[in-house]
Amino acid sequence: EPEVTQTPSHQVTQMGQEVILRCVPISNHLYFYWYRQILGQKVEFLVSFYNNEISEKSEIFDDQFSVERPDGSNFTLKIRSTKLEDSAMYFCASSEAGGGNEQFFGPGTRLTVL
Amino acid sequence: AQSVTQLDSHVSVSEGTPVLLRCNYSSSYSPSLFWYVQHPNKGLQLLLKYTSAATLVKGINGFEAEFKKSETSFHLTKPSAHMSDAAEYFCVVSDRNAGKNRKLIWGLGTSLAVNP
Repeated sequence: EPEVTQTPSHQVTQMGQEVILRCVPISNHLYFYWYRQILGQKVEFLVSFYNNEISEKSEIFDDQFSVERPDGSNFTLKIRSTKLEDSAMYFCASSEAGGGNEQFFGPGTRLTVL
Repeated sequence: AQSVTQLDSHVSVSEGTPVLLRCNYSSSYSPSLFWYVQHPNKGLQLLLKYTSAATLVKGINGFEAEFKKSETSFHLTKPSAHMSDAAEYFCVVSDRNAGKNRKLIWGLGTSLAVNP
């Protein structure tokens, strides 16, 4: 069964460093998403991506964040200069079409900023 | 604006007894509603979804949920709890007619404990 994969499973970085979180969505999906879950808090939407551009982004997704689909397979989330409060589990998701169609989630990357 | 309220942060049941996890939603539009489950140290798995067809939705592992528009509720139930059901459960809403902007709005989650 096709699945969304994410690497690395755990990333530890120093404050101020850049990190890139990688995701491989399901191959025939067209919509891609990033969410994050700070420990003990709810899952929060960060950004959605369709047709090689951002469809929607939340207020969390400021200039420090960017997304890219560099090669038609990977979907990456970059944080330019990490802050302590960026420590969270980051989930990538993809769907065939938007709306009621199910979003399939990857296992997540746990980012720890020291 | 859309929002989700999960009425219980923690539910504890005995194995073999019914499970009820409560969820109320707020949406200005026609909502799609989902329940996701997250087992410890695992990713997010879809249990079931409502997208405008039957109001009683059956999902995996014996779970079901009923969409009640008049009550703006989408409670999750299971007739008989199993030890393996112990996990975090999230009620989620999405706008069905939002074009290509289909973000999911999440509840805070309900932690289900199943006692032997």
